[in-house]
This record gives sequence, C-alpha cells and structure tokens, in this order.
Amino acid sequence: DTAVSQTPKYLVTQMGNDKSIKCEQNLGHDTMYWYKQDSKKFLKIMFSYNNKELIINETVPNRFSPKSPDKAHLNLHINSLELGDSAVYFCASSRTPGELFFGEGSRLTVL
Amino acid sequence: QKEVEQNSGPLSVPEGAIASLNCTYSDRGSQSFFWYRQYSGKSPELIMSIYSNGDKEDGRFTAQLNKASQYVSLLIRDSQPSDSATYLCAVNRPHEGGSYIPTFGRGTSLIVHP
Repeated sequence: DTAVSQTPKYLVTQMGNDKSIKCEQNLGHDTMYWYKQDSKKFLKIMFSYNNKELIINETVPNRFSPKSPDKAHLNLHINSLELGDSAVYFCASSRTPGELFFGEGSRLTVL
Repeated sequence: QKEVEQNSGPLSVPEGAIASLNCTYSDRGSQSFFWYRQYSGKSPELIMSIYSNGDKEDGRFTAQLNKASQYVSLLIRDSQPSDSATYLCAVNRPHEGGSYIPTFGRGTSLIVHP
C-alpha cells in the first residue's frame, strides 16, 4: 500500500489551461504539504494544511488553489497555466513537523 | 541571504571513504534539522533527523548539529556507489502562529566512484 499517492504522475498541457493534481495519504498524519521542485532541483514549499485547515501559504500566485476535503486528502488546482509552472509537484505528509513522507511527484510540463 | 545553504557540488569521493556534507541556516529560531536523500527522478526520503546540539549516529550516517554556529552536517562512512544521490538539508523555520515551515536547501550532489 502506497503511503502517499499522487495522481497523475505526468501532465502535459498547453499554456492557459487548468489542471488538478490529487494527493492521498494513508498514514493517519494530520499535516499535508505541497512542494514545487524546479529544474534546478530546488524544493520550495507552497502550502501546508493541518487537519484540513490552511496553515502555510508561501507567496504562491492565486492561480494555485489547494483544497483539503479531509485530513487524508490534499488537492492542488492550477488555473491559467504558464510556462514557469513547469516543475515537479510533490505532496507530503507528516506527524512530526519536518519529518516528511513524500509522494512520487507529479511532473507538469506546460507547452 | 538564503534560508538554508548547501554547496551544490558535485562532491566526489572514492568508495569506502567518508563523505562530509554541510549545511548552514539563517534563522536562529529554527528548530529541528533533517537530512533527506533524493535519487535522480525519485522523491526525497528522510534519512536523519537531529534536534539537539551534538552528534547523532545511525548506521553509517552521523548527523552533527551546532546551533551556535547555525551549522548542520552529515557524515557518511564507508561510502558506497549506492549512496550517490542528492542530499537535501532541511530545517523547521519559525512561522506565524507558532508553526514551523520545513524549509529545504538546494541540495548537494554526491558521487561515490568505485
């Protein structure tokens, strides 16, 4: 059983389109995150939710909207995709802050 | 000033040697420090966490923390080719409301050659 699973693993889309990435964790953790890893491998936090409540929003454009329907799920919707949004998006969960379990990542390519 | 700094490398060591990876952080209020390993095309995996000054050993890995110098390091003894990966340093940086943000450095690429 995969602990943190993300779908889809790959997205290829045109500029201006809207896309969503889903994340689910079966570890019973209270906190979930979205990170963006750019082409230079820098892993930058975007959002964090604790028990469905948004606790971290790190200066992310409002084209990005996270949603947490329950504490096991955290989804990411991106409107009006731009070239600079191309990256690998990682979902993660934790029981202890900083001890993160990552999903396999979703590679987004915007053409 | 970057919040978490690491040399990007690559750091190249021969098989069997000790690899030494270093990290500094800017926010003195940071609590809890972590090392992650990321193989190419894979997700980061937690390998060590350290919460207080001094050394912490786990198998071939030793994490060292010096809060006064704002410095964290990871030593890998008897390095193996399978240790070749990018090593990411992470710290829990203080955030509003008493929460902490797990913040990553840019990673150091380690190559262990036979």
